[in-house]
Amino acid sequence: EDQVTQSPEALRLQEGESSSLNCSYTVSGLRGLFWYRQDPGKGPEFLFTLYSAGEEKEKERLKATLTKKESFLHITAPKPEDSATYLCAVRDYKLSFGAGTTVTVRA
Amino acid sequence: DTAVSQTPKYLVTQMGNDKSIKCEQNLGHDTMYWYKQDSKKFLKIMFSYNNKELIINETVPNRFSPKSPDKAHLNLHINSLELGDSAVYFCASIGDSSYEQYFGPGTRLTVT
Repeated sequence: EDQVTQSPEALRLQEGESSSLNCSYTVSGLRGLFWYRQDPGKGPEFLFTLYSAGEEKEKERLKATLTKKESFLHITAPKPEDSATYLCAVRDYKLSFGAGTTVTVRA
Repeated sequence: DTAVSQTPKYLVTQMGNDKSIKCEQNLGHDTMYWYKQDSKKFLKIMFSYNNKELIINETVPNRFSPKSPDKAHLNLHINSLELGDSAVYFCASIGDSSYEQYFGPGTRLTVT
């Protein structure tokens, strides 16, 4: 069965303190790795899709990268509004999600 | 305009009751999903419908019955509610040309 493991479970950052989130996965036939952001009381919001090792995508302070076994979400110079839970998911015939990393950025 | 909407947002009910959650999407997508997010934040797929036909059923108890009257709507009916059904239920949809899923705001179900 597909497995998605995210680490760390929680991350507390000072504003401006860059860091990375990890998503390691095992899937029989990867048809995309997805990153979502989820704010409290809301549904997940799509951020990125990565399809092949070496691929990178950027959006504002976020950059996602992909290798054959894991993906990283880099947060550069985070701001308090980047506080959220970041979810990783892999797709074969369905999306399988990790438990997420809750990021808290303090001003 | 809300892309994926769900009603109600909150649902508090007693064990043994029957309840329904409704979902509508105005994105013109063919495929819709129901997910369950438990207290540990794991999002787990329950069902998927493509153009009103069931295509994924992830070994969900048969007390849960999805219904899709048309491709813009996917409802979830739950019979004989149990304490373990307490969770947040999310509806989502996906277009044919993209694998990006759009999620609704969620329905927080509390069974007492």
